[in-house]
Amino acid sequence: SYVLTQPPSLSVAPGQTATITCEGHNIASKAVHWYQQKPGQAPVLVVYDDRARPSGIPDRFSGSNSGNTATLTITRVEAGDEADFYCQVWDPSHDHRRVFGGGTTLTVL
Amino acid sequence: EVQLVESGGGLVKPGGSLKISCAASGFTFSMYKMNWVRQTPGKGLEWVSSISSKSSHIFYADSVRGRFTISRDNAQNSLHLQMNNLTVADTAVYYCARDSLGGSSLDYWGQGTRATVSS
Repeated sequence: SYVLTQPPSLSVAPGQTATITCEGHNIASKAVHWYQQKPGQAPVLVVYDDRARPSGIPDRFSGSNSGNTATLTITRVEAGDEADFYCQVWDPSHDHRRVFGGGTTLTVL
Repeated sequence: EVQLVESGGGLVKPGGSLKISCAASGFTFSMYKMNWVRQTPGKGLEWVSSISSKSSHIFYADSVRGRFTISRDNAQNSLHLQMNNLTVADTAVYYCARDSLGGSSLDYWGQGTRATVSS
């Protein structure tokens, strides 16, 4: 089955840029979605279809997808961005399952 | 406003059963594919099951197939997950999540309901 790999953690100073990667075989052929989950809360969709943003999500959040790596970029990081971030794809060849990456904990220093 | 509110979680012994539900409002429920996603304590997200808008297509993760049954009632705007033969590994927060129309992202999530399997 399809596997998505994320770094477990990332630390960034306020005002800097956070880059969170999501690796998967030929992931560029799939639509990648990103979720932010703050402690004690449900996940929130922050980027869908590689680079689109739902309404209400700041333009500091952006995504890209190429080759075997998808990337979520957060510019001008704020303390309130501290959360777990998960990438996700749809795998129609295996029970139409949604596949999640293991998650990356973003710490704002 | 889209709202998804889960209920029915609780404590159950290994081998027991539990039925959790999700009440939907603020959108035309019958138009959307729905999902259950779970999160084990301190761990990541795991997709559990999905059901198409008219219940014609149902899918399960390997870890729950044969034990869990997803269903929906479009007249009542509700989604359900019947969980049987539960094991400690099924202990998790279970989220109800809506599929985006025409896409594969999960655009709205409930707050979750916790199922604890313990003797």
